[in-house]
Amino acid sequence: AQSVAQPEDQVNVAEGNPLTVKCTYSVSGNPYLFWYVQYPNRGLQFLLKYITGDNLVKGSYGFEAEFNKSQTSFHLKKPSALVSDSALYFCAVRWGLYNNNDMRFGAGTRLTVKP
Amino acid sequence: GAGVSQSPSNKVTEKGKDVELRCDPISGHTALYWYRQSLGQGLEFLIYFQGNSAPDKSGLPSDRFSAERTGGSVSTLTIQRTQQEDSAVYLCASSLAGPTYEQYFGPGTRLTVT
Repeated sequence: AQSVAQPEDQVNVAEGNPLTVKCTYSVSGNPYLFWYVQYPNRGLQFLLKYITGDNLVKGSYGFEAEFNKSQTSFHLKKPSALVSDSALYFCAVRWGLYNNNDMRFGAGTRLTVKP
Repeated sequence: GAGVSQSPSNKVTEKGKDVELRCDPISGHTALYWYRQSLGQGLEFLIYFQGNSAPDKSGLPSDRFSAERTGGSVSTLTIQRTQQEDSAVYLCASSLAGPTYEQYFGPGTRLTVT
């Protein structure tokens, strides 16, 4: 079955430290992977995506993610966390059928960056 | 340019009443999605529209829920005979057609059923 998992409900890091928010997936065929961020009382905002090509993808606000096919992972990273990065982060996966709504969101990981 | 807009931003209704939630997608986006998000939780897929194709209604939780999309643009999600468990934030998103395109989300409608 096609699925995506975010194994951590909560991630806490100190400001200035590197952060990682984990995502693993299970799909048949080629996955298309996305990260979204949700700030309090706001809708989701697109951060970055992996479609094909370079496994390291750079996105908004200094975030990046690395597609690892062998580990079926797409972890979100940032070298130096900011307090303003505190938010709810969602990983999402699609698989390659045109015009198809097969998209799955992870349950979300709440990131807290402490000063 | 303009993003996805939703109205109302907040809606408080009494149990048993009907409500309508509106979504204006980004111009040119043929795909439109409705999701439900309970307090600080994940997204629950409700319904998907793509162009003139029949909508994917597989996520609607009961026959009290329905949605339409007029002229391939504005969409309305209707909940009949609301129940307290319908209280949630209802998010709308739109995108270009195809699996490689990201979704753009509206700010949501917070529905409270008393």
